[in-house]
Amino acid sequence: DAGVTQSPTHLIKTRGQHVTLRCSPISGHKSVSWYQQVLGQGPQFIFQYYEKEERGRGNFPDRFSARQFPNYSSELNVNALLLGDSALYLCASSLVWGNQPQHFGDGTRLSIL
Amino acid sequence: EDKVVQSPLSLVVHEGDTVTLNCSYEVTNFRSLLWYKQEKKAPTFLFMLTSSGIEKKSGRLSSILDKKELFSILNITATQTGDSAVYLCAGASNRDDKIIFGKGTRLHILP
Repeated sequence: DAGVTQSPTHLIKTRGQHVTLRCSPISGHKSVSWYQQVLGQGPQFIFQYYEKEERGRGNFPDRFSARQFPNYSSELNVNALLLGDSALYLCASSLVWGNQPQHFGDGTRLSIL
Repeated sequence: EDKVVQSPLSLVVHEGDTVTLNCSYEVTNFRSLLWYKQEKKAPTFLFMLTSSGIEKKSGRLSSILDKKELFSILNITATQTGDSAVYLCAGASNRDDKIIFGKGTRLHILP
């Protein structure tokens, strides 16, 4: 079975642009979470979605938004990109909300010039 | 504010040594403590601990949780170069589904 898949793997943008990152959870998993990992730090929670509803939000500005589709895949959108948004964006899935452990994808490496 | 603190932040040992990685946590409505290994990209799941004093073991890796002291350790015996990675500790809350990660311990095994 395929694990969590994310696309694209790498992305280069300039300040002020917007970006959309995509995630497909493990088959049968209904909960998707997004994390930002900057170099040298642990992943930091951004959003959690379950059954297409937002169930949790981390301490990120409104420039960050996400949604979950009926097939449980998810998108993370970031507007008005800043240099500080350069990071590895990780998606994780679990069977249902509140179920651990979460399983991670390989991430999207976003670089802002 | 919830937090997870790992120590040491980096560690260099020789192949065959035993290492102990530390993790302390303060997580409201604590549910579980998780350990992940991150080599290049995706953190891969190692252990989930919910009960105090019960050791979880997988090959040369083992982990235990102390819910009274809010502490967990990850032990790796007879280390190999393939154990070189960042080891992440994380706390999960009953309040929501987010995981709070520590900064990780970067472990480097010298041949």
